[in-house]
Amino acid sequence: TQLLEQSPQFLSIQEGENLTVYCNSSSVFSSLQWYRQEPGEGPVLLVTVVTGGEVKKLKRLTFQFGDARKDSSLHITAAQPGDTGLYLCAGLYDKVIFGPGTSLSVIP
Amino acid sequence: DADVTQTPRNRITKTGKRIMLECSQTKGHDRMYWYRQDPGLGLQLIYYSFDVKDINKGEISDGYSVSRQAQAKFSLSLESAIPNQTALYFCATSGAQEVGDTQYFGPGTRLTVL
Repeated sequence: TQLLEQSPQFLSIQEGENLTVYCNSSSVFSSLQWYRQEPGEGPVLLVTVVTGGEVKKLKRLTFQFGDARKDSSLHITAAQPGDTGLYLCAGLYDKVIFGPGTSLSVIP
Repeated sequence: DADVTQTPRNRITKTGKRIMLECSQTKGHDRMYWYRQDPGLGLQLIYYSFDVKDINKGEISDGYSVSRQAQAKFSLSLESAIPNQTALYFCATSGAQEVGDTQYFGPGTRLTVL
């Protein structure tokens, strides 16, 4: 069974701080995605990473795929209240598998 | 208009009742999914369908059934609801050619079983 772990489970920070959340697995994935889910809505894709060692940037968000394609990180620079939400990583094996998520709260 | 719609958005029911959740999509995708979300557990796959004639069980299919009425419609049924099926349910679609099998989610149905 392929499992994805995410850490931390909860994170509460002040506006302007930097943060990193992690996604780890014992399995190698074909690709890995990060989604953000806001209260009352379904998850929305932020990024897909495919190549080991790949780094992608989306404004203040930086995503990295581990060299062995078993782990990933999401770094947010100068967090804003609009970044508040549940961040889910999802790995593609024979089908998509979701991690449990990191719940981020950015306090103004 | 939303690409993936779910009805109802909220439902309260009693133990033993039969419940149907419906999902429609206008994205033209062949693949459709039903997920359950519980706090701290992420999204667990209940059933998925890669085309109208293809239905597959996911991780937690016990107590659930599905019907793929058309390419655009995929419904989830709870034949006899029980309280531990109280959860947030999401429908999703994906296109076979998209990198990473990107999932496009509906807004969710909050189900409470008393």
